[in-house]
Amino acid sequence: GDSVTQMEGPVTLSEEAFLTINCTYTATGYPSLFWYVQYPGEGLQLLLKATKADDKGSNKGFEATYRKETTSFHLEKGSVQVSDSAVYFCALSEAKFYFGTGTSLTVIP
Amino acid sequence: EAGVAQSPRYKIIEKRQSVAFWCNPISGHATLYWYQQILGQGPKLLIQFQNNGVVDDSQLPKDRFSAERLKGVDSTLKIQPAKLEDSAVYLCASSLDRTSVGIQYFGAGTRLSVL
Repeated sequence: GDSVTQMEGPVTLSEEAFLTINCTYTATGYPSLFWYVQYPGEGLQLLLKATKADDKGSNKGFEATYRKETTSFHLEKGSVQVSDSAVYFCALSEAKFYFGTGTSLTVIP
Repeated sequence: EAGVAQSPRYKIIEKRQSVAFWCNPISGHATLYWYQQILGQGPKLLIQFQNNGVVDDSQLPKDRFSAERLKGVDSTLKIQPAKLEDSAVYLCASSLDRTSVGIQYFGAGTRLSVL
């Protein structure tokens, strides 16, 4: 069945460091891929999405490219800020949604 | 635009008791989802409604969990009787439609502790 695997955390980075959170997926067809973010005390919210192979989703300095050949959708940001501290969830949608286990990111000044 | 509203925010009950959670989706959103998020795990879909009909309840433990969405607007999720392993955050989400590219909007969740 469909599934999402993302790198385990927690991840701790210094401000302005480069961020990569790995995400790979298994799907029978051609899913849409998402990154959701959950800030402390808040609900999940969509960060970015990509609906087909080679699409790049981007928002708030974050990027992720839909790689069909490697079944991956890695999240990247060139320079993280303290305000990026949150839990990040990779997800896919193919008839229904499947979420990864989440990766906690803490950015220290 | 008002977001997805959930209540209560927190609930503590003893095992074998009953509990109910309420969700009011974003106005005009046809699709409503209930997820269970156990600590350290990603959200797991329990049930999905399209208007007031059930689209998917394959992962809902139907012997103890029930959900309804009367009139295709707000929804209630019930657990009766609760077990220790039901301790989790219950998330409600809504989207305009059920297509694969539909974006979901989440409520803040209800944190349930079963003692």
